[in-house]
This record gives sequence, structure tokens and C-alpha cells, in this order.
Amino acid sequence: NAGVTQTPKFQVLKTGQSMTLQCAQDMNHNSMYWYRQDPGMGLRLIYYSASEGTTDKGEVPNGYNVSRLNKREFSLRLESAAPSQTSVYFCASLPREAAYYGYTFGSGTRLTVV
Amino acid sequence: AQSVTQLDSHVSVSEGTPVLLRCNYSSSYSPSLFWYVQHPNKGLQLLLKYTSAATLVKGINGFEAEFKKSETSFHLTKPSAHMSDAAEYFCVVSLTGGGNKLTFGTGTQLKVEL
Repeated sequence: NAGVTQTPKFQVLKTGQSMTLQCAQDMNHNSMYWYRQDPGMGLRLIYYSASEGTTDKGEVPNGYNVSRLNKREFSLRLESAAPSQTSVYFCASLPREAAYYGYTFGSGTRLTVV
Repeated sequence: AQSVTQLDSHVSVSEGTPVLLRCNYSSSYSPSLFWYVQHPNKGLQLLLKYTSAATLVKGINGFEAEFKKSETSFHLTKPSAHMSDAAEYFCVVSLTGGGNKLTFGTGTQLKVEL
């Protein structure tokens, strides 16, 4: 009964380094999302994938890329990390019947860029 | 466009007294509305959701919210606060279709004092 699994839980990067945040869900959900959480700003959508094979930009996509590898997995890549990308990142998934279930969130990845 | 405004960034109550967390939304269409709770260093947990059925929605841990279309509000209440309710609460609006993206409020930090 894993739900949404994110790895890693914590990461420290130097400016300019790259990394990929992994997200997997085992609920057969169609849609997957990446959000970042910053103090006083709530959660902001970075990218989403409404279904396997599609990805779209959210509110704050600059500096990020995503891959929907298959129905289960949706990864977020930082090609050249910047201190402004220090944040907590949450992955979420959603079944087709969105209005009736709400999102399921992962436990988050706390990223620090120095 | 859709948006959500949480009117208080911090709320402090005494244990055993009522809780009121205020939320107003803006949406061109009939929205789905959610309240999520986030305990320190944890992920987000769904408290309750409104999806155009009953306007008074009951959630987990004794919380409830009332959808008032005329006031475009979805305030969260609980009759008696418990120490374990101390957390950050997010009001969220979603439109079905268009990727089912969620728009988050900036959060209300609830403090419960003895």
C-alpha cells in the first residue's frame, strides 16, 4: 500500500549540478504532477502529465524538465541547479475521476542548492 | 482562471475552543474544493473535499467545511481544537478537465495552545 513514492527524501546540490527526482505511484492513476513548496507561497505547479505520453508546463516550469516514463513513473530533472531551486518538491497523482478523489501526495523531497 | 485566498496566514486557538480557518475562491466554473493538512516535515493529507454534492462536508478528525456559493467561501471549522491539530492547512481549488490542476492557497498555520 505504498501510494506515491518519492526519492530521494533529502538532497544537497552545488550550483550548476544536475539531478533527477523520482516519483512512482502504484494506484494506476492517470495524471501525475510535480509541485514545489516555498514558505508563504503554498504549492506551485511545475509540470504535470495528464496521461501517459503527455506532459505540460505548470506555473513555474523554468529550470526544470520532466519525463513520464510510463504510467507509474514521472521524473523531474534539474539540469543546472540554482539556489532559487532550493525548495521542498512534492509529487502527486490523480485518478481519472479527479473531482471525487482528490490528489494523493508523496512525502516530499527536500532539496538544498548551495 | 481560478484562485484561492486564505484570509489568515496564522491562527492561534486554545485547546478545546473552536477553530475557524477562512478560505475564499474564485472560479469561472463549478469548482471542486479541498482542504489539505500538512504536519511539520510531513506530506499533505486530504482532510475533506467538496464536489457539488452536499454543501456541508465532513472530513477526518472532526473537521468540516461549508461551501457557500453566494459568498464564494469554503471555510474550515472544528468545534473543539486538539493539540494534535497544530499544522499548516491549505485550501485548494480544482477545475475538472484541462489536466485537473490544483491551485493552492498560501496556507494557514494553526497553533493550538494549552
